[in-house]
Amino acid sequence: DGGITQSPKYLFRKEGQNVTLSCEQNLNHDAMYWYRQDPGQGLRLIYYSQIVNDFQKGDIAEGYSVSREKKESFPLTVTSAQKNPTAFYLCASSTSGTAGYPYFGPGTRLTVT
Amino acid sequence: SQELEQSPQSLIVQEGKNLTINCTSSKTLYGLYWYKQKYGEGLIFLMMLQKGGEEKSHEKITAKLDEKKQQSSLHITASQPSHAGIYLCGADSPGNTPLVFGKGTRLSVIA
Repeated sequence: DGGITQSPKYLFRKEGQNVTLSCEQNLNHDAMYWYRQDPGQGLRLIYYSQIVNDFQKGDIAEGYSVSREKKESFPLTVTSAQKNPTAFYLCASSTSGTAGYPYFGPGTRLTVT
Repeated sequence: SQELEQSPQSLIVQEGKNLTINCTSSKTLYGLYWYKQKYGEGLIFLMMLQKGGEEKSHEKITAKLDEKKQQSSLHITASQPSHAGIYLCGADSPGNTPLVFGKGTRLSVIA
């Protein structure tokens, strides 16, 4: 079955440590996205990539980094520079152009203490 | 930048009752997407609307986009416990830009 996988489901880290969240898709989608969700704030865009080896900052990119070396993968690193990293992180992918809707993964809940 | 306002923020309805959730945009909508989310899970796509006056239905859920393409409504008929969750609207702009989302409406359905 085609879809998006995010791992792990729950992640715990100590403050000051970098952590990488995995996102893999087998939908053959060109575009991939990372959103952050906090209670009462909806989804906010962190980074997105419309093609391999290229990505753009979203609204809240500070303290995060990404790479897009393969079409299927778009890992997100939460660095120690991110002041409030505890949140629910959602990865999504879509076809290029306006043909399709973004398809979301199950999310990773990151807790930093 | 485009902003989406959803109302109400939360809603508690009795099973079997109808309800409506609204999504209002600060700009003309190019494409409007409705998603549903169970707590702690990913978003599930419901419907997409693009044309002014467009209406789509899936089972007991109907979404409409007004003629001016600045407001959409999601209507659930005869609500069931399975309808409970967070409903989010998202909008895009020409140029294949990422979706901007509203803050969501939390729906609870009680017996």
